[in-house]
Amino acid sequence: EDQVTQSPEALRLQEGESSSLNCSYTVSGLRGLFWYRQDPGKGPEFLFTLYSAGEEKEKERLKATLTKKESFLHITAPKPEDSATYLCAVQYQAGTALIFGKGTTLSVSS
Amino acid sequence: DVKVTQSSRYLVKRTGEKVFLECVQDMDHENMFWYRQDPGLGLRLIYFSYDVKMKEKGDIPEGYSVSREKKERFSLILESASTNQTSMYLCASTATFNQPQHFGDGTRLSIL
Repeated sequence: EDQVTQSPEALRLQEGESSSLNCSYTVSGLRGLFWYRQDPGKGPEFLFTLYSAGEEKEKERLKATLTKKESFLHITAPKPEDSATYLCAVQYQAGTALIFGKGTTLSVSS
Repeated sequence: DVKVTQSSRYLVKRTGEKVFLECVQDMDHENMFWYRQDPGLGLRLIYFSYDVKMKEKGDIPEGYSVSREKKERFSLILESASTNQTSMYLCASTATFNQPQHFGDGTRLSIL
């Protein structure tokens, strides 16, 4: 059973059409939840860390939120340059390594 | 800014060869990681290291080994390359485990 599930797998938006990506997790004792952006042929680029339920972080058109069971990455008025795969990863209290979801591939057309 | 550098962007090797993938970070991070990334499977942890000469197995260590002789350098070794090891390999580092990992740009390895 997947411990970190991202949905949808793929999302197509028109420029300016706001939406949200979801990352749900089944682990207990969350130490941190991380969002990354990955462009084709490149390594993941760090976006946000969230440590506790209710926390929010913002950067340009992106806003990440965290509850006890899931995190959302809200994209407001996206532009074509926001097209990428967005990865979510969690860290358990008991473990040390990150567990990654399989990602959401976002395509924004003009 | 943290910089994680992987020695090759693309690599083509033959089955049975011993393959070395190199990774260097410039931020004096204690912890370094090797992942492979495959379509539909996401990122999977192969090995990590929390100090010089220290290593821990990740989720899929079979067929791989690692070496960390200096703090800034972490090497992944494919002892006898096989076609099912064709993949994108990503190296990452972090100061502490609850801080973000910073990734290199990956090595796309093809085993023929």
